[in-house]
Amino acid sequence: GAVVSQHPSWVICKSGTSVKIECRSLDFQATTMFWYRQFPKQSLMLMATSNEGSKATYEQGVEKDKFLINHASLTLSTLTVTSAHPEDSSFYICSARDRQLAGASYEQYFGPGTRLTVT
Amino acid sequence: GENVEQHPSTLSVQEGDSAVIKCTYSDSASNYFPWYKQELGKRPQLIIDIRSNVGEKKDQRIAVTLNKTAKHFSLHITETQPEDSAVYFCAANFGNEKLTFGTGTRLTIIP
Repeated sequence: GAVVSQHPSWVICKSGTSVKIECRSLDFQATTMFWYRQFPKQSLMLMATSNEGSKATYEQGVEKDKFLINHASLTLSTLTVTSAHPEDSSFYICSARDRQLAGASYEQYFGPGTRLTVT
Repeated sequence: GENVEQHPSTLSVQEGDSAVIKCTYSDSASNYFPWYKQELGKRPQLIIDIRSNVGEKKDQRIAVTLNKTAKHFSLHITETQPEDSAVYFCAANFGNEKLTFGTGTRLTIIP
């Protein structure tokens, strides 16, 4: 149980284009989904937190107009990198908390990540 | 915001010996401390976690200790095996459910 998927697993795009990454909780409903970015040999950095039906909360230094987050349902959140540039190349990982366990557990279930390369 | 420091950044251990990784956190309100193992290009995998109402937790060869007064917690891996080689991250929650990750420790088990 508690499986989170991401699509695509990797993507190459040209500078100036936009890329959408999907994050799905497959066997549970998510109370909250999180988006992280991880540069090579670095740690995971939280970009934003999203809840179904409400606007995402972005961490300091993350441009909300560049990284658009839509959380349309209890099982799906999307991250769109708009006008991507080479410096946006990174490993993007989502995670989700199980709605049914929210009161008892802080555990986050991680997706497999999406490697974005902007040329 | 929350700050989590992790040491060492790299650690080489002879197979069969123990490995210890330490983290300190800044937010006294943090009450959830997970440890993750991440292999290259893969998702972080939760290996053990501890809540602030507990001082120690053990799961087979892995244990975590928490000193809430000093705001530090440690991961202990005993009887290390080659498959333990990976990058390990500690984390602490802040703002109730958000996680801040440590900088990571690259653990290498020498056969």
